[in-house]
Amino acid sequence: AQSVTQPDIHITVSEGASLELRCNYSYGATPYLFWYVQSPGQGLQLLLKYFSGDTLVQGIKGFEAEFKRSQSSFNLRKPSVHWSDAAEYFCAVAEPYNQGGKLIFGQGTELSVKP
Amino acid sequence: DAGVTQSPTHLIKTRGQHVTLRCSPISGHKSVSWYQQVLGQGPQFIFQYYEKEERGRGNFPDRFSARQFPNYSSELNVNALLLGDSALYLCASSPRGEDTEAFFGQGTRLTVV
Repeated sequence: AQSVTQPDIHITVSEGASLELRCNYSYGATPYLFWYVQSPGQGLQLLLKYFSGDTLVQGIKGFEAEFKRSQSSFNLRKPSVHWSDAAEYFCAVAEPYNQGGKLIFGQGTELSVKP
Repeated sequence: DAGVTQSPTHLIKTRGQHVTLRCSPISGHKSVSWYQQVLGQGPQFIFQYYEKEERGRGNFPDRFSARQFPNYSSELNVNALLLGDSALYLCASSPRGEDTEAFFGQGTRLTVV
């Protein structure tokens, strides 16, 4: 069965430091991969997505992610973190449309930013 | 343009009661999905509807049901509420059933006491 693992439950970084959030997936075919961000009590906002092509994808708010098939990973990066980036981050894989098209989410990584 | 709207934003119910949550998709979107997010976890898929037909169902008991209306809005119904149903319920819409990019609403926070 498809699954997504985010190994880090909570990460704290200093403002201005670089950030990498890890995501590993288990999926038989070429995956559709996503990163979402969620502020407390809010819905999910799409940061970026990977469907095919260039394995380095750029998203909003200065985020990027790299798809590595050999490692089954889709890690999220940002070169310089801002205090407003503090939130919960979710990695997700999408099932094909003919299997329901649902999103399968990881457990999330909570990001705290120190001044 | 308005995004995905959900109502109500917060709700408190007693065990055994019934609840109806509502979702209006982005204008022009024909597919609506529902997710349950328990505190500290990622969202779990409940249902997907497209053109008023159920296209997918997650691993939830029959107490959970949903429907989609001709205007593409949707309702999620939960019967015989349990304490464990307390969660943030998220609605997502997409233009077509085959789209995998979903746009999420702010959610309905359901508390069962």
